[in-house]
Amino acid sequence: GQNIDQPTEMTATEGAIVQINCTYQTSGFNGLFWYQQHAGEAPTFLSYNVLDGLEEKGRFSSFLSRSKGYSYLLLKELQMKDSASYLCAVNRGSTLGRLYFGRGTQLTVWP
Amino acid sequence: GAGVSQSPSNKVTEKGKDVELRCDPISGHTALYWYRQSLGQGLEFLIYFQGNSAPDKSGLPSDRFSAERTGGSVSTLTIQRTQQEDSAVYLCASSLQGHLSYGYTFGSGTRLTVV
Repeated sequence: GQNIDQPTEMTATEGAIVQINCTYQTSGFNGLFWYQQHAGEAPTFLSYNVLDGLEEKGRFSSFLSRSKGYSYLLLKELQMKDSASYLCAVNRGSTLGRLYFGRGTQLTVWP
Repeated sequence: GAGVSQSPSNKVTEKGKDVELRCDPISGHTALYWYRQSLGQGLEFLIYFQGNSAPDKSGLPSDRFSAERTGGSVSTLTIQRTQQEDSAVYLCASSLQGHLSYGYTFGSGTRLTVV
């Protein structure tokens, strides 16, 4: 398989910071994506990393280390509406646009 | 259209029947993908269309599954002789060729239940 691993569940409280980790096999790596999926809805695109480092986009940031096959999604100032599943996905250049998805991390934000 | 449109949103079918699922991608998006999502599982790739190139069918789970894309736009996923294990949410997505950095745009999916 593609061995894209992320925790199954996480919980946090409103206003806190949470970090969701993702590890993957590095062979043929051509970019990493994070998606957010609320229950019963379609996944929505959050971020894309292809070079090492941190990409910041408002309350959400995504980090990539290609040599370690590691990424994380950082969510700051958590809100109740951030309760959702967060999907890590990898593109491998040899397969063009196809993405390989992890099983998702179900985040629950408590008041 | 403004987004990726899928129909029907829900489909209940009897085991052994054929079903057709439709996807209308964002206008101008040359790449179209089908994935399915079963309860507690990650998104499973099914098939990928890119412009006029031959589709990547490597994710289709059996020969009961087929898909076509007419005129480079609308796509239909057909499942013949449905089985209970085919029950899942079938998601379609589209993207601009060569612009993966913008990610896919997914449709809302078709929830298929085989009884």
